[in-house]
Amino acid sequence: NAGVTQTPKFQVLKTGQSMTLQCAQDMNHNSMYWYRQDPGMGLRLIYYSASEGTTDKGEVPNGYNVSRLNKREFSLRLESAAPSQTSVYFCASTTGDRQAFFGQGTRLTVV
Amino acid sequence: EDQVTQSPEALRLQEGESSSLNCSYTVSGLRGLFWYRQDPGKGPEFLFTLYSAGEEKEKERLKATLTKKESFLHITAPKPEDSATYLCAVQAASGGSYIPTFGRGTSLIVHP
Repeated sequence: NAGVTQTPKFQVLKTGQSMTLQCAQDMNHNSMYWYRQDPGMGLRLIYYSASEGTTDKGEVPNGYNVSRLNKREFSLRLESAAPSQTSVYFCASTTGDRQAFFGQGTRLTVV
Repeated sequence: EDQVTQSPEALRLQEGESSSLNCSYTVSGLRGLFWYRQDPGKGPEFLFTLYSAGEEKEKERLKATLTKKESFLHITAPKPEDSATYLCAVQAASGGSYIPTFGRGTSLIVHP
């Protein structure tokens, strides 16, 4: 099984550009999450989707939007990228109170 | 608000020198405490889940324990390949959703 797949792995954007980070899982998990990871800050939750058709804000949602396209896919969109959004983004999925499975991350630089 | 604090932030050990990492937490309605390992440039990988105080889990040189306020990850006779960042997370039920909250991690370096 592939697990959690994120695309792209690397991206450089100019300030004001938009982009969508894609995430797909093949484990039939109900819940999916988007985190960002910055040096010294750990993993901070941006948005999550408890089940297909629902999304909720996490700790740091400003500047982002999400779409739970179906049970497998959960995308993160930056409408107008800012240098403060330079980070490593991780998608994760889980079911119930079990462990999360993470993708390999997207390293985003906004110049 | 759920909070997870890990200490120390960084730890350097000599090969074979045992030590412990700490994860203290405050959460309403704990549904699980998780330990993950993260290697540079990769996503976190699951190590252990602990659900109730007194529970212990072991895997090779690692042993995780849980009390009502904190968890320890004990590393016995570490090897250089144990070098990584270790993340602790708590998962609470919120309105039917399970939301993992992570600590900032402990960066472990084991010197040969």
